[in-house]
Amino acid sequence: SQQGEEDPQALSIQEGENATMNCSYKTSINNLQWYRQNSGRGLVHLILIRSNEREKHSGRLRVTLDTSKKSSSLLITASRAADTASYFCATFQGGSEKLVFGKGTKLTVNP
Amino acid sequence: GEEVAQTPKHLVRGEGQKAKLYCAPIKGHSYVFWYQQVLKNEFKFLISFQNENVFDETGMPKERFSAKCLPNSPCSLEIQATKLEDSAVYFCASSQWQGAGSPLHFGNGTRLTVT
Repeated sequence: SQQGEEDPQALSIQEGENATMNCSYKTSINNLQWYRQNSGRGLVHLILIRSNEREKHSGRLRVTLDTSKKSSSLLITASRAADTASYFCATFQGGSEKLVFGKGTKLTVNP
Repeated sequence: GEEVAQTPKHLVRGEGQKAKLYCAPIKGHSYVFWYQQVLKNEFKFLISFQNENVFDETGMPKERFSAKCLPNSPCSLEIQATKLEDSAVYFCASSQWQGAGSPLHFGNGTRLTVT
């Protein structure tokens, strides 16, 4: 079964607005990662947040992690049309060497 | 190289035929992963390697799927006797380190269509 579940499944916003995507997971984790997939391409790693971190920033990206609720959020500020893509959270389950992905949030940023 | 290279980009096979996909990981990366993505949705883990050794094969349908990573050769994923349900995009990824601390670098995938 999928470790991460993203919410919402799809999100459509206007350029300049902020986009927030959420991810929930079920088991203990060492870290949580967010990836982006542009149409017809592979996944691109965006950011990694460790289990002892609560918030992390990278450019226009802000990730939060709440291990008590087993959830994470990805905020993209001042969105651009080029941010249109699917976004996936992923976790390594405790003791496993495989990265397990959620089903993704499809973000559309309208110019 | 600095990118994970997957070949071919597209592959069409009739049901029952064999399909073979190739992946050249980033130079210096010791770990290789294969994932299957159906209908642009979730990524299903298939198998991982540490150099030429199988690391985790819990996702592999073993009766028809096999994979190898041999020294000085691209890694390969082979599907014997393809079925319609094997139609998907197969992604290869590599990482420098083991496990939880290391982000994966993905190739652009091979789209397999079984007719």
